[in-house]
Amino acid sequence: DTGVSQNPRHKITKRGQNVTFRCDPISEHNRLYWYRQTLGQGPEFLTYFQNEAQLEKSRLLSDRFSAERPKGSFSTLEIQRTEQGDSAMYLCASSTGTGGVYGYTFGSGTRLTVV
Amino acid sequence: AQTVTQSQPEMSVQEAETVTLSCTYDTSESDYYLFWYKQPPSRQMILVIRQEAYKQQNATENRFSVNFQKAAKSFSLKISDSQLGDAAMYFCAYRLQGAQKLVFGQGTRLTINP
Repeated sequence: DTGVSQNPRHKITKRGQNVTFRCDPISEHNRLYWYRQTLGQGPEFLTYFQNEAQLEKSRLLSDRFSAERPKGSFSTLEIQRTEQGDSAMYLCASSTGTGGVYGYTFGSGTRLTVV
Repeated sequence: AQTVTQSQPEMSVQEAETVTLSCTYDTSESDYYLFWYKQPPSRQMILVIRQEAYKQQNATENRFSVNFQKAAKSFSLKISDSQLGDAAMYFCAYRLQGAQKLVFGQGTRLTINP
């Protein structure tokens, strides 16, 4: 296992289109997180899964955003009707049950550009 | 609201010298964890060092150490013997015990001058 994998690395889309990103966590990690990072800022929390259950969602996650983690393995983040303000780096991270103590393992992110 | 403030948008240091990055945070809670993450250009974020709030002893990881002042809500990172590979964005982050989300600061861009 080589860490947290995110695909695609880059996505350019036209405003109004739908996009979907995928995150494959470290296999033994039961917790998975999505963050959004805009240029020059720190990451902002979007949502958190424990196994397949989505346990927390940020107010940043509008109704155009949906995240899933079927079977508690990989996760997808979908953005519908993209807007220019959605342009950002979307980071996925995973951890074990004690990950909050030892920190997460982050993926390399998916950079979204909405034109 | 929990906030983390990094007051230095950019810092630079000569190779082999020591640099300190500042971080302050705001919380009314007493049990939490603090982290410093490093994000090299176009690469993934990696954990540099962490500190449990209940521990008075400052954490150290090789050339990296922290100065944790709980009463002042301050958590600075000291990098000794700076190396070219230390060049990156550094983010301070905070997490309440029992919570899952990390709250990040705005980051400090560190440049190492050869």
